[in-house]
Amino acid sequence: AQKITQTQPGMFVQEKEAVTLDCTYDTSDPSYGLFWYKQPSSGEMIFLIYQGSYDQQNATEGRYSLNFQKARKSANLVISASQLGDSAMYFCAMRGALTDSWGKFQFGAGTQVVVTP
Amino acid sequence: DTGVSQDPRHKITKRGQNVTFRCDPISEHNRLYWYRQTLGQGPEFLTYFQNEAQLEKSRLLSDRFSAERPKGSFSTLEIQRTEQGDSAMYLCASSGLRGIPLDQETQYFGPGTRLLVL
Repeated sequence: AQKITQTQPGMFVQEKEAVTLDCTYDTSDPSYGLFWYKQPSSGEMIFLIYQGSYDQQNATEGRYSLNFQKARKSANLVISASQLGDSAMYFCAMRGALTDSWGKFQFGAGTQVVVTP
Repeated sequence: DTGVSQDPRHKITKRGQNVTFRCDPISEHNRLYWYRQTLGQGPEFLTYFQNEAQLEKSRLLSDRFSAERPKGSFSTLEIQRTEQGDSAMYLCASSGLRGIPLDQETQYFGPGTRLLVL
């Protein structure tokens, strides 16, 4: 069975600072994808960034980067230069080739980020 | 607006009543997913369609739940004889844009339907 663990239930970060959100996963799938989503209080899940298990380089997307350490089974999200609009719940998700047939996502419990002025 | 839409956005019902939710995916997408999210938790998978075929159902989907996607476009999720434990956010997502490798497919979510069972 696959499992996603986000150990930080909540974090405060000052505006313009960087923040790292932890995500560890457990899978026996040889090929899988890792995703991060942002969920503001409005409820909609917003896709941020994707990392494939065979990607040699860490993914980056604007102010978002993914620190992928395959041997440690971690896929931490780094948000640089935090903005007040970054305040939201952040979810790490995984999808495997065999376990999920590249279909459904498995989500972690999420980390609540609050950006302060 | 060409995103995923869901209707209604909010639903309050009494225990024992039936409710039906609708999801309209992004038009080019052939895959559609339903998830349930309770307060303080991540979304949990319920079921998944490719075109009109329901390919996978979670064990969370009891006999009281049924989902359809009759013409491979919009989908409905019905809950019969609702219970207070059904209170949650029901999220719909779609994926399957032509030309994107399957492993890289991102799921795009709708705004969700918040259900409260009294």
